[in-house]
Amino acid sequence: NAGVTQTPKFQVLKTGQSMTLQCAQDMNHEYMSWYRQDPGMGLRLIHYSVGAGITDQGEVPNGYNVSRSTTEDFPLRLLSAAPSQTSVYFCASSYDRDPYEQYFGPGTRLTVT
Amino acid sequence: QQQVKQSPQSLIVQKGGISIINCAYENTAFDYFPWYQQFPGKGPALLIAIRPDVSEKKEGRFTISFNKSAKQFSLHIMDSQPGDSATYFCAARGAGNNRKLIWGLGTSLAVNP
Repeated sequence: NAGVTQTPKFQVLKTGQSMTLQCAQDMNHEYMSWYRQDPGMGLRLIHYSVGAGITDQGEVPNGYNVSRSTTEDFPLRLLSAAPSQTSVYFCASSYDRDPYEQYFGPGTRLTVT
Repeated sequence: QQQVKQSPQSLIVQKGGISIINCAYENTAFDYFPWYQQFPGKGPALLIAIRPDVSEKKEGRFTISFNKSAKQFSLHIMDSQPGDSATYFCAARGAGNNRKLIWGLGTSLAVNP
C-alpha cells in the first residue's frame, strides 16, 4: 500500500492564482481531511469528508474548496491564493470507526508571493 | 478558544532522561486521546493513544497517564534518546457524530546526546 500520497511536494504561487493540491489514499478509508500547519499554530482543520459525496467545513475553511467524488481522492482547491495561505498542507485519512488512527501524507509546502 | 491545551511549547532533555508533556481538556464528551509524533519534513504519525476508562497505557518507552477527574493527560518518554527529537501533538476526539480531532499546539522536544 502507498498509504496517503500528496502532490506536489512544493509549490510557489503568485497572489490571485488558483491551484489544486492532490490527495489520494489506497486504504479504503471513509474519513479524509485537510489540515494546514503553521509555526506555533499546531494543526488546523480546513475541510473534511466522511465519505464520497459528503464534505464539511473545519475551523479554517475560507479560501478553500473540496470535493469527494471517490473514496480514494480528496483534492483541495485554492480559489485565489493569498500570502496568508502560505503554509504546509497535510492530508489525512482514517476509518470512521475504531481505532480512529489518522494516517497523514507527507505534506505540501506552499508559498504564496 | 483552545479546547486542548498542551505544555510546554518546547522541551530540552538530556539523553537517558524522562520527557514529560502535558495536555488538559475541557470537553468531557471526548472519548479518545491520541499522541502524534512528527519529524521535520514529515507528516504526523500516531504514537500511542488512550481511552478515558483507562488510567495508564504503556508501549515500550512511551507511557500515557490519564486523569479523568482532572481532565488531564500526559506523555512520558522514558530513557529519552536523540532519535526521539521531534514535535509531539496531543489530541482529543469527540464522541457520537462529532468525529473531528481537536489538537494541542504541539511540543518541540530536543534530546541532547
